[in-house]
Amino acid sequence: AQKVTQAQTEISVVEKEDVTLDCVYETRDTTYYLFWYKQPPSGELVFLIRRNSFDEQNEISGRYSWNFQKSTSSFNFTITASQVVDSAVYFCALSEPYNNAGNMLTFGGGTRLMVKP
Amino acid sequence: ETGVTQSPTHLIKTRGQQVTLRCSSQSGHNTVSWYQQALGQGPQFIFQYYREEENGRGNFPPRFSGLQFPNYSSELNVNALELDDSALYLCASSLPGGYSGANVLTFGAGSRLTVL
Repeated sequence: AQKVTQAQTEISVVEKEDVTLDCVYETRDTTYYLFWYKQPPSGELVFLIRRNSFDEQNEISGRYSWNFQKSTSSFNFTITASQVVDSAVYFCALSEPYNNAGNMLTFGGGTRLMVKP
Repeated sequence: ETGVTQSPTHLIKTRGQQVTLRCSSQSGHNTVSWYQQALGQGPQFIFQYYREEENGRGNFPPRFSGLQFPNYSSELNVNALELDDSALYLCASSLPGGYSGANVLTFGAGSRLTVL
């Protein structure tokens, strides 16, 4: 069975600090996708990144970067120079091939990030 | 393009009652999924609808049911409400993704249900 673990339930940093959110996953499939979503207080989940299991290149998008290591089944997310607007709950999710219409996401428990001014 | 819209945003029910939650998918998306998010936890997959049929279900009892309409909008129905059904119910829409699981889901802001 697939599983996603986000061991950090809550992180508090001061603005401009760098912060890394950890994600560890379990799956028996060789083909799968990993996602990060952000959930602000308004409630909707906002898509941040998708990575497939065959692409282990790290990715950078502005202040955000992601480190995918298949050997350790981890997909960590780093925010550089954090800002107050980064305060939210962040979810890591795993998707496996499911059916011909879409996919089912397995989410981790989330990490609440609080960035203080 | 409009995103995913859900209604109502908040509602309160008592144990044993029934509830219907509604979702309009993003323009161009024909697949709708529903997730339950209990307080302080990650979302859990309830089921998915494609071509007006349920084609995937998580570990939820039959009293959780749904519909998808020809315009791709969807309803989630929960019968015989229990206290543990109190949660944020999230709807997500997407394009069909084949067997890859690559779909990016677009989520609505959710319907917060409180069962007393």
